[in-house]
Amino acid sequence: DTEVTQTPKHLVMGMTNKKSLKCEQHMGHRAMYWYKQKAKKPPELMFVYSYEKLSINESVPSRFSPECPNSSLLNLHLHALQPEDSALYLCASSSSGAGDGYTFGSGTRLTVV
Amino acid sequence: GQNIDQPTEMTATEGAIVQINCTYQTSGFNGLFWYQQHAGEAPTFLSYNVLDGLEEKGRFSSFLSRSKGYSYLLLKELQMKDSASYLCAVPWTGFQKLVFGTGTRLLVSP
Repeated sequence: DTEVTQTPKHLVMGMTNKKSLKCEQHMGHRAMYWYKQKAKKPPELMFVYSYEKLSINESVPSRFSPECPNSSLLNLHLHALQPEDSALYLCASSSSGAGDGYTFGSGTRLTVV
Repeated sequence: GQNIDQPTEMTATEGAIVQINCTYQTSGFNGLFWYQQHAGEAPTFLSYNVLDGLEEKGRFSSFLSRSKGYSYLLLKELQMKDSASYLCAVPWTGFQKLVFGTGTRLLVSP
């Protein structure tokens, strides 16, 4: 299995809703990431988990809450989002090796109304 | 900090060759990645350069000059399906985070 699977593919939520994005990989990668990508912009890093511990938080607002239940799963809990949070949310994973690269999921297209 | 720049848009004709440049400034260097991203889809890995020189992989080649802080992606025999965004990216903080360049949208026309 060489894929990163993200669910759901599309999500529409109101500003008072609570929802979660899910990400799963079975490549044995020990680092997992959340990126946010606005239209016509490059992905921007939000969070990094290394060996199931949060290692980097790029000053993301607390309405985004990451969780890594085990080495294969990564969640992003969403609460009280704003319309400007509408974006493509990408999950990625990587091994500790250099040239292995980062494997990205196909993303969740989030619309906040 | 890091600063990674690419041209915003490029156009080319089917069958032609196009070179997409990337300049970077980082306080540490652990190689440079190129990714392809079709609209609304995941970035997909194209290449990774850590040493100077040209690496060829089918129709795609990637070049790196560490002394100049410069890389390019060369796409030969362009096809319509090559219309996509091309992102260079540099690992930061060891390999803990991948920082992307501004991205280049390539449009291939018949």
